[in-house]
Amino acid sequence: NAGVTQTPKFQVLKTGQSMTLQCAQDMNHNSMYWYRQDPGMGLRLIYYSASEGTTDKGEVPNGYNVSRLNKREFSLRLESAAPSQTSVYFCASVFNTEAFFGQGTRLTVV
Amino acid sequence: KNEVEQSPQNLTAQEGEFITINCSYSVGISALHWLQQHPGGGIVSLFMLSSGKKKHGRLIATINIQEKHSSLHITASHPRDSAVYICAVRRASGSRLTFGEGTQLTVNP
Repeated sequence: NAGVTQTPKFQVLKTGQSMTLQCAQDMNHNSMYWYRQDPGMGLRLIYYSASEGTTDKGEVPNGYNVSRLNKREFSLRLESAAPSQTSVYFCASVFNTEAFFGQGTRLTVV
Repeated sequence: KNEVEQSPQNLTAQEGEFITINCSYSVGISALHWLQQHPGGGIVSLFMLSSGKKKHGRLIATINIQEKHSSLHITASHPRDSAVYICAVRRASGSRLTFGEGTQLTVNP
């Protein structure tokens, strides 16, 4: 998935800890997204950013915050992690109708 | 009812078989994506369709806008095709993608 870099790949957190997932794209795209993927469910939208400086809630925003400080970077923050946030997280960047995904972050909250 | 439904959920085939995965959706769309996800791996876009048919190697994707239905076909399937195949639609308004639950394909040698 050239062009979308997502870090870290793996993370284990204790309940109540905080962390930030980083996502960067070098394709000059306006739209960026954060999804979570859980067994038996399709990818669900957490937050998205249609352009630099704007963010909007998706289907499952509770417990998350995002930041789009510049066109290239879109970060996802968990302020106080909960076991229900154990999931695989994907960042995506969209231009017109082409979609590019990061490699994913496997997060476990214990 | 999900806005994007895929069938089957699981599919097991023998090497060489012709495979079809289906996707139905209930909203107006501007485009439909077929994505591939290997175990432990990221998600790769295979096709983006807004009408008609596209072919890439052994993969063929079709879409019928009137019937709100798309199919992904794999000819002469191979074990390396084993993956989860995901259908995603981009709504007619906005750029958000809505995903199906995916189809787990296993191709045995």
